[in-house]
Amino acid sequence: GENVEQHPSTLSVQEGDSAVIKCTYSDSASNYFPWYKQELGKRPQLIIDIRSNVGEKKDQRIAVTLNKTAKHFSLHITETQPEDSAVYFCAAFYNTDKLIFGTGTRLQVFP
Amino acid sequence: NAGVTQTPKFQVLKTGQSMTLQCAQDMNHNSMYWYRQDPGMGLRLIYYSASEGTTDKGEVPNGYNVSRLNKREFSLRLESAAPSQTSVYFCASRTGGNTHEQYFGPGTRLTVT
Repeated sequence: GENVEQHPSTLSVQEGDSAVIKCTYSDSASNYFPWYKQELGKRPQLIIDIRSNVGEKKDQRIAVTLNKTAKHFSLHITETQPEDSAVYFCAAFYNTDKLIFGTGTRLQVFP
Repeated sequence: NAGVTQTPKFQVLKTGQSMTLQCAQDMNHNSMYWYRQDPGMGLRLIYYSASEGTTDKGEVPNGYNVSRLNKREFSLRLESAAPSQTSVYFCASRTGGNTHEQYFGPGTRLTVT
């Protein structure tokens, strides 16, 4: 079935450290994998995405990696800052029409 | 360019009441989506519309109906609200085809007592 698993559910790091969030998906036909950041009381905002023909993508302090064989993808945040504190969601695109989301990771960055 | 807008922002219903959540986008997007978000859970797809005139069920469609009124508007109706439908509801849209980026509205916080 259509499923996205996300781990961990909570993650606490010291400012300046790195944070890694991992997701797995079930459908090998999925070809698009976005990551969303949601601050408290706000809407989800797209922060980075990757397509299935690419293994890694970077944008300043954030990067996403994709392993199609294992059906894994990960979000990496380096040099974390307090403003990175939020809930992060991964998602996978299914059947050409819909995104299925993971259950979210609450990231807390302590000064 | 307002993007994706939703009304109302907040709503309190009694069990059994009905209401319609409105969503509109001004980006000329083909596909529109309704999600619900519950504490500790991700965004779960209720219904979606890949193009004007079509609608399809998502992961949790029971208790809801939708209408794709035109290309801009996609409404979600609760015919007989239940406490289990207390949630934050997000509408989203995307261009369609090979353009996958999805943009979210600000959400509607619904409480059913």
